[in-house]
Amino acid sequence: EAGVTQFPSHSVIEKGQTVTLRCDPISGHDNLYWYRRVMGKEIKFLLHFVKESKQDESGMPNNRFLAERTGGTYSTLKVQPAELEDSGVYFCASSQVSGFRTDTQYFGPGTRLTVL
Amino acid sequence: DAKTTQPTSMDCAEGRAANLPCNHSTISGNEYVYWYRQIHSQGPQYIIHGLKNNETNEMASLIITEDRKSSTLILPHATLRDTAVYYCIVRVGNDMRFGAGTRLTVKP
Repeated sequence: EAGVTQFPSHSVIEKGQTVTLRCDPISGHDNLYWYRRVMGKEIKFLLHFVKESKQDESGMPNNRFLAERTGGTYSTLKVQPAELEDSGVYFCASSQVSGFRTDTQYFGPGTRLTVL
Repeated sequence: DAKTTQPTSMDCAEGRAANLPCNHSTISGNEYVYWYRQIHSQGPQYIIHGLKNNETNEMASLIITEDRKSSTLILPHATLRDTAVYYCIVRVGNDMRFGAGTRLTVKP
C-alpha cells in the first residue's frame, strides 16, 4: 500500500512568488492534515480536511495560505505571495477514521520550501 | 502548548533497550498517548499509541503508569537506524501537537 506522497520534495522561490504544494493521501483516507515546521520551531498543525470539507483551519497563519481538496482526494496548499518566514518543511498526513482521538495519522515525507 | 515533558536528549548503546520517558501529568481520562519519531529530515513516523493499558507492536512497547501521568516508550533492541527525534504526544483534538521531543542517539 502506497503511503502519503507529497510533491515537490523541494521548492525554491523568490519572495512574492506563488507556490503550490500537493499532497496525495493514502487511498481511502477521508482525513487529511497539513502541518509545517518553520526554522528552529516545532511542527505545527495548519488545517484538517474531512473529505473535501475543511474541518479545522485554526492553524493557518494568514490569508496568504489557501488549502483545497476538491473531490476529497488529493489536496493542494498554495502560498501567495510567499514571504521569507514561510520557509520550512510542510508535511501532510492522512488518517482513515473520524474518531479523532484514536485514528492514526500517517505522514508524508514533506516538502521543503525555501523563500529567497 | 504541548502537554508533555520529555528529556532533550538520550544516548543508547546499539543492541540495548532504549527507554524513553514522557511526563503528561495533566492528561485527561479519555486522552490517548501517541509516539512518533522523525529520522533526520523524513516525515514523522507513527510508532505506537495507548490509553491506559500497556501496548506492544513490532516496533516498540508502550508502558503507561496506572495513574496515566507518565509513560515510557521501549525500543527493545536499539539499532543505529533508530537514531531519531522521538515525540510523545497527548492527543487533545484532531491535530497532533508536537513538542521538542527527545533526540535519541544510538551508539555502536
